[in-house]
Amino acid sequence: DTGVSQDPRHKITKRGQNVTFRCDPISEHNRLYWYRQTLGQGPEFLTYFQNEAQLEKSRLLSDRFSAERPKGSFSTLEIQRTEQGDSAMYLCASSLVYTSVETQYFGPGTRLLVL
Amino acid sequence: DQQVKQNSPSLSVQEGRISILNCDYTNSMFDYFLWYKKYPAEGPTFLISISSIKDKNEDGRFTVFLNKSAKHLSLHIVPSQPGDSAVYFCAASNNAGNNRKLIWGLGTSLAVNP
Repeated sequence: DTGVSQDPRHKITKRGQNVTFRCDPISEHNRLYWYRQTLGQGPEFLTYFQNEAQLEKSRLLSDRFSAERPKGSFSTLEIQRTEQGDSAMYLCASSLVYTSVETQYFGPGTRLLVL
Repeated sequence: DQQVKQNSPSLSVQEGRISILNCDYTNSMFDYFLWYKKYPAEGPTFLISISSIKDKNEDGRFTVFLNKSAKHLSLHIVPSQPGDSAVYFCAASNNAGNNRKLIWGLGTSLAVNP
């Protein structure tokens, strides 16, 4: 399967713990996006990378959140000192930017539950 | 402020009939529109897209229509099948900018009844 993969698919943690999620994009894609989706809402943009450079972060991304894409391939999203409000589905998408329009392809998501 | 609106939270149609899902947007800078299908506990799956230079795009049973003057697009599924039952999201982006982040509607839950 050459689609976007995310790990883990589910994570249950206690408030105050740190969690890290991983995303592996489609291999030739140079852009990688992170979104967050809560119940009854559409996904909301968090941050994106072009190759290894993080180009923009949403105001939704507090200083407890950090994302990396060290070699321009896979990416990690870490949440420190988790809060119950962090419970959501975290979605990763990848795309090829060198086109006039850009279609993002999504992974299966990581569902986080903070107790 | 919801820049992409899907005003119908749910839609129910009979198998074999046409499903029409609607989407409105407010930001005139959007120039690329996408429809995604989503099952519970899974990521969105890309279905079909349309650029603002077109007014129609067709792919098999799926057709998307864009009316730029009305800032309105619709997804037609013909014929509808029970496997089409899912939540459908409309998303939009501005491809003239560097950050082509998607702005999403709230989704429409489609139920296709056998």
